[in-house]
Amino acid sequence: NAGVTQTPKFRVLKTGQSMTLLCAQDMNHEYMYWYRQDPGMGLRLIHYSVGEGTTAKGEVPDGYNVSRLKKQNFLLGLESAAPSQTSVYFCASSYSGGSHEQYFGPGTRLTVT
Amino acid sequence: AQSVAQPEDQVNVAEGNPLTVKCTYSVSGNPYLFWYVQYPNRGLQFLLKYITGDNLVKGSYGFEAEFNKSQTSFHLKKPSALVSDSALYFCAVRDPGNQKVTFGIGTKLQVIP
Repeated sequence: NAGVTQTPKFRVLKTGQSMTLLCAQDMNHEYMYWYRQDPGMGLRLIHYSVGEGTTAKGEVPDGYNVSRLKKQNFLLGLESAAPSQTSVYFCASSYSGGSHEQYFGPGTRLTVT
Repeated sequence: AQSVAQPEDQVNVAEGNPLTVKCTYSVSGNPYLFWYVQYPNRGLQFLLKYITGDNLVKGSYGFEAEFNKSQTSFHLKKPSALVSDSALYFCAVRDPGNQKVTFGIGTKLQVIP
């Protein structure tokens, strides 16, 4: 089992460019999440999905879009990158909500110049 | 609304001494509580959780946590710290009626040889 994988690991973008971060999980989990981690701010939820074909907004959704066309994949898109989106992005998955813990990917370090 | 607080940015402890990392929470119902650990340049790893039952929960790597409903706390503990325990620790809470998990801002644990 690879668990949760993220692609790419590092990326540098110029302001206004777009990109897509890919998250994949092989645990047949229903729920998937995208977080960003910034110093002193902890983890903040961007968007999440409770099943294939569903998405919902988290705490800080502005400037991001997501899609969950397949159960195992959760894509995070930045349509027009801004320096404020410089961060480390983590994807996570869980069997369902409730009492189930989350499994995290290794992260993507994104710098927007 | 659910929230979690980790009042200490950093905790320093000598190797071999007991350690405590503090967490308090606020939810409207009975909480699901989690602890995660993050090593440098890695994703978060699940340590332990409280769902119901015994207030003392045991988890990975010798860690345990005590749920205290009257004080709305869920402090992480270990009887004897190791240098390898040095990492960033996150407390998280979920209200059973909520699809989302709220994370604290993290506490950096430094174990001094």
